[in-house]
Amino acid sequence: GAGVSQSPRYKVAKRGQDVALRCDPISGHVSLFWYQQALGQGPEFLTYFQNEAQLDKSGLPSDRFFAERPEGSVSTLKIQRTQQEDSAVYLCASSAQGAGGYTFGSGTRLTVV
Amino acid sequence: AQSVTQLDSQVPVFEEAPVELRCNYSSSVSVYLFWYVQYPNQGLQLLLKYLSGSTLVESINGFEAEFNKSQTSFHLRKPSVHISDTAEYFCAVIMNSGYSTLTFGKGTMLLVSP
Repeated sequence: GAGVSQSPRYKVAKRGQDVALRCDPISGHVSLFWYQQALGQGPEFLTYFQNEAQLDKSGLPSDRFFAERPEGSVSTLKIQRTQQEDSAVYLCASSAQGAGGYTFGSGTRLTVV
Repeated sequence: AQSVTQLDSQVPVFEEAPVELRCNYSSSVSVYLFWYVQYPNQGLQLLLKYLSGSTLVESINGFEAEFNKSQTSFHLRKPSVHISDTAEYFCAVIMNSGYSTLTFGKGTMLLVSP
């Protein structure tokens, strides 16, 4: 597609519920990144994929967070047993190659109640 | 590792006035530098970037930023702002060698009033 698409746009989850957030990167983009943006903060790195390989997951805040990109295109970020502190906007970005070309999606705003 | 400091969390300014949003970075190696803009309830849009070459880079909507290696800064400027420039602005860096991901500052909210 023309841009990075994320769904759902908004998600309200009850504490303890599992959620799955989807990212459709730009077609052909090798690199895919997930970021978490808390209210009033800059985006914080969560994890990075190169094709289907998850090369860096150092930013995932706990083992309740899990990401996958099984066919090297669409990616899913899953959060198990959501907590209130998980409330944030989750941003996905994709890149072809090189440092100059991150394209971000509009994000998924997760609210845990 | 690299880090980014945006000292001003909010910058109020009147329409048609000049503005400067400050960004300083810290890195032990050379970096690429970026400014992203985020309008309310939207994702991040790349405003401009410095990869190499001329230290002064410009965007299509009148913003410019200058890379200053000695002061480790990449301040964003516009000589005359519009109401529509009201948004959150994020400075970001990435190392230009080896593996690295974008590291963002905390953002500066530019508030333009009539």
